[in-house]
Amino acid sequence: EDKVVQSPLSLVVHEGDTVTLNCSYEVTNFRSLLWYKQEKKAPTFLFMLTSSGIEKKSGRLSSILDKKEPFSILNITATQTGDSAIYLCASNQGGSEKLVFGKGTKLTVNP
Amino acid sequence: DAGITQSPRHKVTETGTPVTLRCHQTENHRYMYWYRQDPGHGLRLIHYSYGVKDTDKGEVSDGYSVSRSKTEDFLLTLESATSSQTSVYFCAINQVRDSVYGYTFGSGTRLTVV
Repeated sequence: EDKVVQSPLSLVVHEGDTVTLNCSYEVTNFRSLLWYKQEKKAPTFLFMLTSSGIEKKSGRLSSILDKKEPFSILNITATQTGDSAIYLCASNQGGSEKLVFGKGTKLTVNP
Repeated sequence: DAGITQSPRHKVTETGTPVTLRCHQTENHRYMYWYRQDPGHGLRLIHYSYGVKDTDKGEVSDGYSVSRSKTEDFLLTLESATSSQTSVYFCAINQVRDSVYGYTFGSGTRLTVV
């Protein structure tokens, strides 16, 4: 059974800290690993990583896909209160167009 | 961004009644999905569609049915609502942006079954 496991499930930090969120996945016919940010409403797309594109960066956020282990990390540097959200990791289920999601990491950034 | 809207945004219904949620998209995307999101479970796939009248089950499909008679509309029906179906329901499409595939989600429907 395909699955995605995220850790930690919750994290509380202070503004300015750097955080690392973890995502391990076990899926057949791996195609991609995706990261989403969810604030009060719908998840919004952050990054997609594939075997041919294993590192992505956007501002203070960056993500790496480990090609040897089925693992990805999402880094956020110089955190701000606006980074408070649930961060979701997902992968294509069985190489299909369906995504299987982890349970998410709830990040709280305190002033 | 893709035009994807869900209706209603909020609904309270009684146990045993049928409920239909609507997802509407304006950009002719082939794939559409219904997920539910619950604390401790994350997002779980209910049903998905890969074209008009082409649908398939996800991991939590019991008690739900779907229909897609037009490309733009994907309907989710709770045949006889139960309290365990109280949840936030998200519709999604598979969209290419900057040569990258990624889901785009609707704003969600918060359903309460009393």
